[in-house]
Amino acid sequence: GENVEQHPSTLSVQEGDSAVIKCTYSDSASNYFPWYKQELGKRPQLIIDIRSNVGEKKDQRIAVTLNKTAKHFSLHITETQPEDSAVYFCAATSSLNDYKLSFGAGTTVTVRA
Amino acid sequence: EAQVTQNPRYLITVTGKKLTVTCSQNMNHEYMSWYRQDPGLGLRQIYYSMNVEVTDKGDVPEGYKVSRKEKRNFPLILESPSPNQTSLYFCASSLSLAVSSYEQYFGPGTRLTVT
Repeated sequence: GENVEQHPSTLSVQEGDSAVIKCTYSDSASNYFPWYKQELGKRPQLIIDIRSNVGEKKDQRIAVTLNKTAKHFSLHITETQPEDSAVYFCAATSSLNDYKLSFGAGTTVTVRA
Repeated sequence: EAQVTQNPRYLITVTGKKLTVTCSQNMNHEYMSWYRQDPGLGLRQIYYSMNVEVTDKGDVPEGYKVSRKEKRNFPLILESPSPNQTSLYFCASSLSLAVSSYEQYFGPGTRLTVT
């Protein structure tokens, strides 16, 4: 099955700086890579996703890049703000079993004012 | 309002006492899933359902049962809970049969403690 590893587990950044979270996956057939944000005490919510036929996707201050050869994808948050403080989860799903979503262990991001 | 609901939100129980956590969605979604969230382990899928009467195991199904008798409901059943099932549980639903086609919407979570 799919194995998704996420690094770092915690990340502290100064407000206004950038944050980068990296995930690697094991299944070369994986074709969909969503990122979820979970604020303290809240449910996970999708913030951005990318499919295997695209190398990069941007949405305002967040972007995701995908390197299929190396089997890794990254979340980039620019100009971080206090409301970006949360736990971020990457995930992957395989074209061989499109009903299962495998998550990384999560990254706790703290934005210091 | 489109939403996924779970009940109860908090539950403290004892080892061996059967319990059910309910999940309901009002979006006419075909796909529903249960996850558990544990520190350092992220979200792990327990069971999922592609449609009424169609369910399958996720990555950590041991000790859990599910049923999908109606499209809107997907209860999680712990026949004989044990302390290692103490966790935060999330139900999620999606419009499509294929996870990658549509966003998964999560419920508010159920904090379960088994003593």
